[in-house]
Amino acid sequence: ELKVEQNPLFLSMQEGKNYTIYCNYSTTSDRLYWYRQDPGKSLESLFVLLSNGAVKQEGRLMASLDTKARLSTLHITAAVHDLSATYFCAVLFGNEKLTFGTGTRLTIIP
Amino acid sequence: GAGVSQTPSNKVTEKGKYVELRCDPISGHTALYWYRQSLGQGPEFLIYFQGTGAADDSGLPNDRFFAVRPEGSVSTLKIQRTERGDSAVYLCASSLTGQGIYGYTFGSGTRLTVV
Repeated sequence: ELKVEQNPLFLSMQEGKNYTIYCNYSTTSDRLYWYRQDPGKSLESLFVLLSNGAVKQEGRLMASLDTKARLSTLHITAAVHDLSATYFCAVLFGNEKLTFGTGTRLTIIP
Repeated sequence: GAGVSQTPSNKVTEKGKYVELRCDPISGHTALYWYRQSLGQGPEFLIYFQGTGAADDSGLPNDRFFAVRPEGSVSTLKIQRTERGDSAVYLCASSLTGQGIYGYTFGSGTRLTVV
């Protein structure tokens, strides 16, 4: 069974702190995507990771992919309130089906 | 268009009624996808179109659900004899090509409520 697990599911962190969200998946894939979702809104694409060792950074967010460990991380540096949202990883298995994780609800506390 | 457009944004219908949800993908995107997102969950795959044909409809939950993309652009998701369990946000996404190389752009979704 294809599984994508994220942890933690809920995360409260103070402004200015660093933290990492983890995304584990059960079956070989070299295509992983990170999305942000604000309440009542759609999914905003953050990162597209297409190979082992891929690392991408945008502002205070950095994502990496280790296909051998079947693990991706989303690292948040010096968090600010605007980063409060739910973050999803999604893995492409087989033919064009994205399987999403359960999401990590991030709350940044002033 | 500049993004993936979905209409209506909200739809309330009575149990047993028929509904149609529309998706207008980014111009030039050949691949189109439908997902369903229940409250507090990640989206779940329903169906994938490459051009006019449904390349993979394995995520459609049962034969009450059907989708078309007759001209390879706009797609319509059709739900017959709606049930309360069909209530969810239905998301459409498009991609320049298949295989995920260019990522996927999602629309704002249609929130379907069956009462």
